[in-house]
Amino acid sequence: DVKVTQSSRYLVKRTGEKVFLECVQDMDHENMFWYRQDPGLGLRLIYFSYDVKMKEKGDIPEGYSVSREKKERFSLILESASTNQTSMYLCASSLQGGRNIQYFGAGTRLSVL
Amino acid sequence: QKEVEQDPGPLSVPEGAIVSLNCTYSNSAFQYFMWYRQYSRKGPELLMYTYSSGNKEDGRFTAQVDKSSKYISLFIRDSQPSDSATYLCAMSVIQGAQKLVFGQGTRLTINP
Repeated sequence: DVKVTQSSRYLVKRTGEKVFLECVQDMDHENMFWYRQDPGLGLRLIYFSYDVKMKEKGDIPEGYSVSREKKERFSLILESASTNQTSMYLCASSLQGGRNIQYFGAGTRLSVL
Repeated sequence: QKEVEQDPGPLSVPEGAIVSLNCTYSNSAFQYFMWYRQYSRKGPELLMYTYSSGNKEDGRFTAQVDKSSKYISLFIRDSQPSDSATYLCAMSVIQGAQKLVFGQGTRLTINP
């Protein structure tokens, strides 16, 4: 079975903290994605990576960075968390080419106080 | 104008009803069309996948794509309370596109 695992289901952080969200997939997928999901706004792509050490900005990259040192792991970093980054964060992965089906993790609900 | 439009609902129907969920899109290059289901406090999971135009049926679920109208639909027959979830449409072009474009999602509740 396909599996995308996000390290935390719930996180509470303070404004200004550096926050790391981790995602691991076991399907040997080349592509990995980070989204945030907010009521009324749907899924918005933050960053994606199509290979180790490669990254591309999505629709809302401001305030975020990413790291992909190994094929199976994709990290989202909030350099200095702010209250407007309170959201549900979803990681996904997909196989290069073909049908572009993305497989999602369970999500991390982040609250920044 | 958004590339993919989906009515966010909420939509509430009685158990056993036929449910119709829809998305419209503006990019005629889209070729892959998907429906994801997302239960509360979970990640989206792929429900239906369709390539190009036509219908696809899987049990109580039917996905339709009308490329001439740039319109896709998901039908749920004999709806069950366990179908209560948010349904997201997603689509992509054929070549060079790792990314999916998602609709906003429709929140559906099936009342027993």
